[in-house]
Amino acid sequence: AQKVTQAQTEISVVEKEDVTLDCVYETRDTTYYLFWYKQPPSGELVFLIRRNSFDEQNEISGRYSWNFQKSTSSFNFTITASQVVDSAVYFCALDNYGQNFVFGPGTRLSVLP
Amino acid sequence: EADIYQTPRYLVIGTGKKITLECSQTMGHDKMYWYQQDPGMELHLIHYSYGVNSTEKGDLSSESTVSRIRTEHFPLTLESARPSHTSQYLCASSEGTGWSEKLFFGSGTQLSVL
Repeated sequence: AQKVTQAQTEISVVEKEDVTLDCVYETRDTTYYLFWYKQPPSGELVFLIRRNSFDEQNEISGRYSWNFQKSTSSFNFTITASQVVDSAVYFCALDNYGQNFVFGPGTRLSVLP
Repeated sequence: EADIYQTPRYLVIGTGKKITLECSQTMGHDKMYWYQQDPGMELHLIHYSYGVNSTEKGDLSSESTVSRIRTEHFPLTLESARPSHTSQYLCASSEGTGWSEKLFFGSGTQLSVL
């Protein structure tokens, strides 16, 4: 069975601090995809990144970076120099070419001014 | 920018009413999904569709039904709403014929059943 764990339920940081959101997944498949989505207070989930299981290169996009470590089944997300607009619930998700995604429980990030 | 629309945005109804939540997308995506989400909690798949005339139930048991008569339209119906149906319902779509494509989400319908 597939499972995604986001152990941090809520995180609060002060603006300009760096913050890392943890994601640990379980799957027996060798081929799978990992995702991060952002859900701001407006409610609409926004796609951030997709990474396949064969690509362990870390990725950086502006203030966002992702660290994929297959050895520890983790796909962590770091926001550098956080801003108030980063306040949202962030979901990690796993899909193995199956019929649906498995979403983690989400981490609520509050960035205080 | 996602072109997937859900109406209504908020709905408050009484127990026993029949309701239909609308979802439309203008991207021509074959695959569409309905998720149920309690505020700030994880998403649970309740229905999905591979294309026209295709519908399947998801992991979470639901008393709702869906239809897919047109590619762009994927409505969800509750024949008799109950307070336990109070939740947020999110519609999504994805492009391509394969799997593991990114999902585009609508803004959701917040349903409250009194």
